[in-house]
Amino acid sequence: GAVVSQHPSRVICKSGTSVKIECRSLDFQATTMFWYRQFPKQSLMLMATSNEGSKATYEQGVEKDKFLINHASLTLSTLTVTSAHPEDSSFYICSARDWAGLTDTQYFGPGTRLTVL
Amino acid sequence: QQPVQSPQAVILREGEDAVINCSSSKALYSVHWYRQKHGEAPVFLMILLKGGEQKGHDKISASFNEKKQQSSLYLTASQLSYSGTYFCGTGSNFGNEKLTFGTGTRLTIIP
Repeated sequence: GAVVSQHPSRVICKSGTSVKIECRSLDFQATTMFWYRQFPKQSLMLMATSNEGSKATYEQGVEKDKFLINHASLTLSTLTVTSAHPEDSSFYICSARDWAGLTDTQYFGPGTRLTVL
Repeated sequence: QQPVQSPQAVILREGEDAVINCSSSKALYSVHWYRQKHGEAPVFLMILLKGGEQKGHDKISASFNEKKQQSSLYLTASQLSYSGTYFCGTGSNFGNEKLTFGTGTRLTIIP
């Protein structure tokens, strides 16, 4: 099946620093990747859609200057949380769209738990 | 608006059956089902497309009623490994890859 990796799995940083999270599709090319945020015991909330070679599309209420997204290749998208604050602490999950096979769906990475002190 | 799932949580004994429902206020083109275990990524289970089809593999199947804007996931003879939180992700248009995820259903299977 389609495999998506995410790095790092956990990160702890000080308030005011920036954190970069990488999302890679390992065995397929993904022109579209998605970034989600998930709070404990809650559902996945879409933050932005990342398209290879073009600007990301952000959901309403998500600050694009704070959450920088770069989709530089067909297998890599990065999310940078700039000037992180404690309220940015959360579980960030990426997914990659696979529509070359029999199904058109999203496969998720293992997630990154961000803790901002 | 987020699709509503029911029940919110359910506890079953191994071998019992479960039904999880997903209801949307919007017209749907597709419904995708995922299972997420604590601290892990959601794992894709199956996709259903507009047309009212029913799908299944092994002891997990699902149906999609586009007129009612609902989908149901059926788990038969549940196993301990079925424990986790189930999410439906709904798509509104063909070619629109964005999914809106439901409120989630926490399933606990006990021996």
